Amino acid sequence: KAGVTQTPRYLIKTRGQQVTLSCSPISGHRSVSWYQQTPGQGLQFLFEYFSETQRNKGNFPGRFSGRQFSNSRSEMNVSTLELGDSALYLCASSRNGANTGELFFGEGSRLTVL
Amino acid sequence: AQKVTQAQTEISVVEKEDVTLDCVYETRDTTYYLFWYKQPPSGELVFLIRRNSFDEQNEISGRYSWNFQKSTSSFNFTITASQVVDSAVYFCALSEEMDSNYQLIWGAGTKLIIKP
Repeated sequence: KAGVTQTPRYLIKTRGQQVTLSCSPISGHRSVSWYQQTPGQGLQFLFEYFSETQRNKGNFPGRFSGRQFSNSRSEMNVSTLELGDSALYLCASSRNGANTGELFFGEGSRLTVL
Repeated sequence: AQKVTQAQTEISVVEKEDVTLDCVYETRDTTYYLFWYKQPPSGELVFLIRRNSFDEQNEISGRYSWNFQKSTSSFNFTITASQVVDSAVYFCALSEEMDSNYQLIWGAGTKLIIKP
């Protein structure tokens, strides 16, 4: 079956701009969670959406937001970009929830902020 | 506070050697989950195993085995007869639920290099 698809794979933005990343989960998976990966901070949990509702949230500022659509596809938005937002953003889907189940990851969206 | 420590930043071994990746965690809860994931150079994280806090049984899957010890808060991962394809970054992660919320806490990762 098709895996988790993230778009775009690479993007470059400048400070102050905003960006939207997209994630299509595996068919039948209701949970989509997002993670930020940087060399300095490692992997950090951003938030999880389950059946269109945000179920859990990590310790990130309000500039980071997301949503999930009825087909389980999810988008993540970062507003007023800062240099420190440069990172690999990973999306993962799971059938029942990110905290207990196996996560299936996409290849990530690599964001560079100049 | 929850915390996951993978003290080994990088390990380099020659093919066919056995190697153990350490993971030590901190949590105050009695109910939690532990995970191992592999991130090959392609970047896509791959699930390896999940353990809940009530299941201390060790697990073996082919060349992979996991040793979960609550007494020492450790969840170590051993690869037997390592192969070049095992080269990757390996992450240990902890999840616990508090007040109907949770955070999946990741270790810093151990980069494993298997030399031919």
